[in-house]
Amino acid sequence: DSGVTQTPKHLITATGQRVTLRCSPRSGDLSVYWYQQSLDQGLQFLIQYYNGEERAKGNILERFSAQQFPDLHSELNLSSLELGDSALYFCASSPTSLGSGNTIYFGEGSWLTVV
Amino acid sequence: QKEVEQDPGPLSVPEGAIVSLNCTYSNSAFQYFMWYRQYSRKGPELLMYTYSSGNKEDGRFTAQVDKSSKYISLFIRDSQPSDSATYLCAMSAGSGGSNYKLTFGKGTLLTVNP
Repeated sequence: DSGVTQTPKHLITATGQRVTLRCSPRSGDLSVYWYQQSLDQGLQFLIQYYNGEERAKGNILERFSAQQFPDLHSELNLSSLELGDSALYFCASSPTSLGSGNTIYFGEGSWLTVV
Repeated sequence: QKEVEQDPGPLSVPEGAIVSLNCTYSNSAFQYFMWYRQYSRKGPELLMYTYSSGNKEDGRFTAQVDKSSKYISLFIRDSQPSDSATYLCAMSAGSGGSNYKLTFGKGTLLTVNP
């Protein structure tokens, strides 16, 4: 158990809908990362927050947004869902940003199926 | 050219074999190198973490980094069926801006047969 908690574990939704994925980082970790994993693309970095502020952005679509709250939990919002958004979405956390030599620890993921 | 290249396999070996997994990369700014193990539909689990070039050993696992060749390896000795998983290499420049992100290889699927 990495200490990173993600909910829900599975969800099925229709195209055009909106979903919110939730993440609680490991106790004491200030950085939260979101990754998308699909069969053809592998693990793709979406976005990073550090202590409530956006720190780095990757291949995140404009239909997707995220935020980190004062209690350090984070939410990833996916809207106008398309079939191609079906994937495993992982949250990860680290004590600080990677620049200090830390690495990141992953949650178990949220499996999204868009039908 | 992708930043990180990893042979997806699949790789199938008998129990007890020595397994060699490799990644190449193109970004010379990478200085932190990691190997993650991922069981099916589970979150990636950190196996090994190294900084810059050199070797690091942890039990049956040895990680090697050759920055001059932009090549990293993971060796698994006395492989066990429980080692069957997808192994992902990951790396980071570890400095400011977008370099905070980890860049992953696509993973190599390993099966260890009893």
